[in-house]
Amino acid sequence: KQEVTQIPAALSVPEGENLVLNCSFTDSAIYNLQWFRQDPGKGLTSLLLIQSSQREQTSGRLNASLDKSSGRSTLYIAASQPGDSATYLCAVRQPGAAGNKLTFGGGTRVLVKP
Amino acid sequence: DTEVTQTPKHLVMGMTNKKSLKCEQHMGHRAMYWYKQKAKKPPELMFVYSYEKLSINESVPSRFSPECPNSSLLNLHLHALQPEDSALYLCASSPPGSGDTQYFGPGTRLTVL
Repeated sequence: KQEVTQIPAALSVPEGENLVLNCSFTDSAIYNLQWFRQDPGKGLTSLLLIQSSQREQTSGRLNASLDKSSGRSTLYIAASQPGDSATYLCAVRQPGAAGNKLTFGGGTRVLVKP
Repeated sequence: DTEVTQTPKHLVMGMTNKKSLKCEQHMGHRAMYWYKQKAKKPPELMFVYSYEKLSINESVPSRFSPECPNSSLLNLHLHALQPEDSALYLCASSPPGSGDTQYFGPGTRLTVL
C-alpha cells in the first residue's frame, strides 16, 4: 500500500528566503506526482504535475523535482513572499489506479513572515 | 469556463435532516470526485465517477449517497449524518487520460449538529 509522507509538517521562514518542501513515497512505481496548494478552508490549487518519466517541472518561481528510485520529490519556491503562506500537499497516482485515485501526503503548512 | 463550482459554500444541518451538495464543471471532464477533508488532514477520497458511472466507492457509509445526473453535474445526498461527518467536502474533476491533473472546487464546509 502506497504511503506518502511530507516533512516537516510546518515551516516558518522570513520573506525572501527560498522554500524547500519534501515529499516521500514508499512505492516507487508511480504514474505521476502532483503538488497542490491549499489556503485555509479553501479548495486545492494544482501547482505542478510531474509524470513518472520526468525529472522536474518548473513554473515561475516554482520548481519540482522527482527521483522515483529513491521515492522522493522536492518542491522549491524561490524568493518566498507572504502570499506563499499556505499548506502544500503532494499526491501520487499509481499505474492502473482506477478512476485516477490519488494518495495524498499530510501536507506542509508554510508561513512566510514579512 | 475553467473552474469547478460547489454549492452551498457552508451548510449546517441536524442529524435528522436531508440535504444535498452540488458540484458543477463545464470543462468537458469525464471523471468527477468527492473528497472529505478534516481539519489539518489531507483530503480522503470518497467516490469517483467515470463517464457518469460510479467507479470507486471507498467504503463510505450509506448515509452519503452520490449521484451523477450528467457529465457536468455531481451531487452528494446527505441523510442522518453524525457530528463526526462535519468536514470540508471537496469536489474535483479531471479530463480523460490518466496523466492529467485534477481540478478542485472551493469546497462546502459542512457542520452537523
